[in-house]
Amino acid sequence: DTAVSQTPKYLVTQMGNDKSIKCEQNLGHDTMYWYKQDSKKFLKIMFSYNNKELIINETVPNRFSPKSPDKAHLNLHINSLELGDSAVYFCASRPTELSSYNEQFFGPGTRLTVL
Amino acid sequence: AQSVTQLGSHVSVSEGALVLLRCNYSSSVPPYLFWYVQYPNQGLQLLLKYTSAATLVKGINGFEAEFKKSETSFHLTKPSAHMSDAAEYFCAVSSPRGEKLTFGTGTRLTIIP
Repeated sequence: DTAVSQTPKYLVTQMGNDKSIKCEQNLGHDTMYWYKQDSKKFLKIMFSYNNKELIINETVPNRFSPKSPDKAHLNLHINSLELGDSAVYFCASRPTELSSYNEQFFGPGTRLTVL
Repeated sequence: AQSVTQLGSHVSVSEGALVLLRCNYSSSVPPYLFWYVQYPNQGLQLLLKYTSAATLVKGINGFEAEFKKSETSFHLTKPSAHMSDAAEYFCAVSSPRGEKLTFGTGTRLTIIP
């Protein structure tokens, strides 16, 4: 059983296009995240939602818009794609209890390439 | 603000040798620390976590880490490296309320046959 899934796994597109990445978790978690991993493997948090409410927004350009239709889904829409958006995007989720030692569970990633 | 520093972006060890990956943390409160592993073209998987219950933490795949407050360190070790250990390893620290993880820059582990 897949815990955190993302679609698509690979996404190749032209500059200026708009694209979406979808994430679903079947772990019953209330908190979900989007991370960006650049070519040097550096992981940076972008957004976090708790029960459909945005709780973290880390100085991400307005071209990026997350949407959480329900607590099991967190999608990421990107407008006017730029070359610098090329990266691997990871979705993650975390257990309901707001406890500091609750680890995050990661999806397999979506590799976005902007040409 | 919490942060972690991983010393050494690349570490190479021979198969069967000791693995030591270094992580130092900075935190204004008692930290909760994690080690994650990322195999090629995969997501991150939790290796182990420090939650203040014990300073020596055992994880999966034979890895362990020791929390040393005096040295602000949480180094990851494995007594005998295996070819399957080749991956990227990330140290991370949790924010005080647990809503956010801050990751180190990662260490790529290469195993020499």
